[in-house]
Amino acid sequence: AQKITQTQPGMFVQEKEAVTLDCTYDTSDQSYGLFWYKQPSSGEMIFLIYQGSYDEQNATEGRYSLNFQKARKSANLVISASQLGDSAMYFCAMREGQGGSSNTGKLIFGQGTTLQVKP
Amino acid sequence: EPEVTQTPSHQVTQMGQEVILRCVPISNHLYFYWYRQILGQKVEFLVSFYNNEISEKSEIFDDQFSVERPDGSNFTLKIRSTKLEDSAMYFCASSRGHRNTIYFGEGSWLTVV
Repeated sequence: AQKITQTQPGMFVQEKEAVTLDCTYDTSDQSYGLFWYKQPSSGEMIFLIYQGSYDEQNATEGRYSLNFQKARKSANLVISASQLGDSAMYFCAMREGQGGSSNTGKLIFGQGTTLQVKP
Repeated sequence: EPEVTQTPSHQVTQMGQEVILRCVPISNHLYFYWYRQILGQKVEFLVSFYNNEISEKSEIFDDQFSVERPDGSNFTLKIRSTKLEDSAMYFCASSRGHRNTIYFGEGSWLTVV
């Protein structure tokens, strides 16, 4: 079974509008972390935002926010006021077992969503 | 802002040759990783390294691969006897702790011909 599922292979959004990128996850751990990374066409992997499973508030970082619904096991990324530079591949990732001392910190990635921002 | 740096950015190698990909993690980080991304596919975990030893490795990380931290700053991935299917982007990453954010380098494109 997939641990991280991103059901949208590609998305379009008009410049200056908001867009939501979906991510659902599967884990039996109580302590885990959810990450979003941006990968532009140049290839680098840029950290955007992090949500811990015990965090009560949804994470926000500038124009990025994470809509964390623990019961539904979803961690959708919301980008507000889209810009042309937001066009990229976006990956959702999970780190399980954060509560354990033996945790190695490994991330499991979803398949990614390609976002294109239209002028 | 500190960053993870990787060299080379792109390497072309003949099948069967050995390749070493180099990384300088962020200086106060203690956990180091290598990930692989075959073109158009998702990012796959290869190996994690902590306290001068491998802490976890995936099934991809077989005897063909090895990692080393030869000094206090570098972290290398060696691929012996490269195969065509080793062609991919290889990312080095690091984090301060196993619960902290993992930061990635810009990647090393490996093309095996």
